[in-house]
Amino acid sequence: EVQLVESGGGLVQPGGSLRLSCAASGFIFSSYAMSWVRQVPGKGPEWVASISGTGNSPYYADSVRGRFTISRDNSKNTLYLQIKSLRVEDTALFYCAKAQPESYFDGSGYSVHYNLDVWGKGTTVTVSS
Amino acid sequence: QSALTQPRSVSGSPGQSVTISCSGPGSNVGVNNFVSWFQQHPGKVPQLIIFDVSKRPSGVPDRFSGSKSANTASLTISGLRAEDEADYYCCSYVDNYTWVFGGGTKLTVL
Repeated sequence: EVQLVESGGGLVQPGGSLRLSCAASGFIFSSYAMSWVRQVPGKGPEWVASISGTGNSPYYADSVRGRFTISRDNSKNTLYLQIKSLRVEDTALFYCAKAQPESYFDGSGYSVHYNLDVWGKGTTVTVSS
Repeated sequence: QSALTQPRSVSGSPGQSVTISCSGPGSNVGVNNFVSWFQQHPGKVPQLIIFDVSKRPSGVPDRFSGSKSANTASLTISGLRAEDEADYYCCSYVDNYTWVFGGGTKLTVL
């Protein structure tokens, strides 16, 4: 069974930092891109960052680029999100999610897109003075 | 990428069908078939119930179906049950492992 378990959230003052972790099990971690998605209670999820299976290619939402750093340690089956310069508006439940590849025919050949098929239970980040 | 647009709420009686729409101006919804839908019960984790516009993951009842026309994707739930009461979110894959979500629709089963 695929399992994702986040940790590292907490209460932090504006301007502070946190490192979130996501421990993965039940699948070959290094074979899958992984993502962080956050959700403010009562609002829709917001994709935050993703990283390829090798860890060589990180991607960020404009709202967090320059402050958040996604990384992974495939030897430990763990995904990370380093968050700096935290703002009150960063307060949210942070989920890690697995990116499941799906192939499709694009008219000239086969390509791949991704779906966020499994999510962890999340870790809460609260930014307040 | 701007968030996708969903109605804030829909409702229906047990046994009825409801449809939730999802659209975005010039968004990927109209360009490709990479729309997915998530169901989220209060205090729970979002669960993938539809992917690639109309495909269901294993274990999702066939009462849940998806479709798309032009720039609008739709989730239809037929034979409504009390346990279907939840928030529903659409999601569109953009590229390079990036996604955009809708603001969510609260389904009330009357």
